[in-house]
Amino acid sequence: QSALTQPPSASGSLGQSVTISCTGTSSDVGYYNYVSWYQQHPGKAPKLMIYEVDKRPSGVPDRFSGSKSGNTASLTVSGLQAEDEADYYCSSYAGRNKGVFGTGTKVTVL
Amino acid sequence: QLQLQESGPGLVKPSETLSLTCTVSGGSISSSNYFWVWIRQPPGKGLEWIGSIYYSGNTYYNPSLKSRVTISVDTSKNQFSLKLSSVTAADTAVYYCAREHIDYWFDPWGQGTLVTVSS
Repeated sequence: QSALTQPPSASGSLGQSVTISCTGTSSDVGYYNYVSWYQQHPGKAPKLMIYEVDKRPSGVPDRFSGSKSGNTASLTVSGLQAEDEADYYCSSYAGRNKGVFGTGTKVTVL
Repeated sequence: QLQLQESGPGLVKPSETLSLTCTVSGGSISSSNYFWVWIRQPPGKGLEWIGSIYYSGNTYYNPSLKSRVTISVDTSKNQFSLKLSSVTAADTAVYYCAREHIDYWFDPWGQGTLVTVSS
């Protein structure tokens, strides 16, 4: 199972928006609505930000939103804040023993 | 709230077996709708799903690691464990345990533990 493809980096100014893509195949992202997104600050464990494509866990700001079209899922962070600077990973179900993560995107807040 | 904590040696010799335990507190490991998972992250690299276990003992492994991985659960201690055999330097990573929902999302995560494979 190959890793999902994400851009290595993305950036946006304070208060602006940034969108990160996550491209898979018709066997994972395109087939299942089980895409999730994780935020990871340096030296910290990943934190769930979005699950099942577009659902936000309690406590996650509504500035974070998810969507999917075909084989590509997206995470949008609106109203960028300094604390949003982190690495972001997507993940998709592809079968009980075939889960896969994305390659990761480093978001920089300018 | 549910918390997970990894424990085990931080240094393992090449060809030996890496062994880690994850202790779950604030909730039962015997919950339905959840699996218990190991995920690793080599230094400076991305995340890799290693495998997961249901409280009944059913296991699911990453095909690329399946021949070397064993995950077990001890419901009496609210713990689950990872064994990875015949390790090499490529297995050096931060190892995380986490709770995996049946719809394949991971929350919460343990803080992670760095395991270095070196003689």
